[in-house]
Amino acid sequence: ETGVTQTPRHLVMGMTNKKSLKCEQHLGHNAMYWYKQSAKKPLELMFVYNFKEQTENNSVPSRFSPECPNSSHLFLHLHTLQPEDSALYLCASSQEINKWQGHTEAFFGQGTRLTVV
Amino acid sequence: GENVEQHPSTLSVQEGDSAVIKCTYSDSASNYFPWYKQELGKGPQLIIDIRSNVGEKKDQRIAVTLNKTAKHFSLHITETQPEDSAVYFCAAPPGGGSYIPTFGRGTSLIVHP
Repeated sequence: ETGVTQTPRHLVMGMTNKKSLKCEQHLGHNAMYWYKQSAKKPLELMFVYNFKEQTENNSVPSRFSPECPNSSHLFLHLHTLQPEDSALYLCASSQEINKWQGHTEAFFGQGTRLTVV
Repeated sequence: GENVEQHPSTLSVQEGDSAVIKCTYSDSASNYFPWYKQELGKGPQLIIDIRSNVGEKKDQRIAVTLNKTAKHFSLHITETQPEDSAVYFCAAPPGGGSYIPTFGRGTSLIVHP
């Protein structure tokens, strides 16, 4: 148990559906991340929030919409996805990101296995 | 090319042998180098990390070495055990002002009993 909880663990959705992935951490971290993990590809960073402000959007299609209402919660809203969006979506958190300290240890959730049919 | 290159992609060893995984990075200003282990059905978990002010760090059977001149760092696992079987990822900042690490493609380590 890493302290980062993702729900649901598995999700099957049609291309016209709207669904949301949820991530929660009570580690006192201020940075939260969404990653996409596909077979035979590196972990792809999607979005980064630092102190609730989005600091990175890695050219992610608009059918993925993140939301960070507070430092403990992160959502990924999904709509009109494509079959190639099927993947493991991982949430992570870390203390914070700053110029001097750089990056610190990231704690990952177990992921949501998404299948788009 | 990729900011972080990881080799090999798969590594098969006998129990008790050593395993070494290597990563090269491109940004000479990088100062933080973590290694993550991902077991089946789980998210990646940090197993060891190193900062640029040291050349080596050990934690029991696991060690990481850093060569800043050559811009590569390696994970060393000694006396491997079947439970070490997993996918291992290195990470390093991509440069260009970003401090968010980019992950390597991963190494699938298989330890045969």
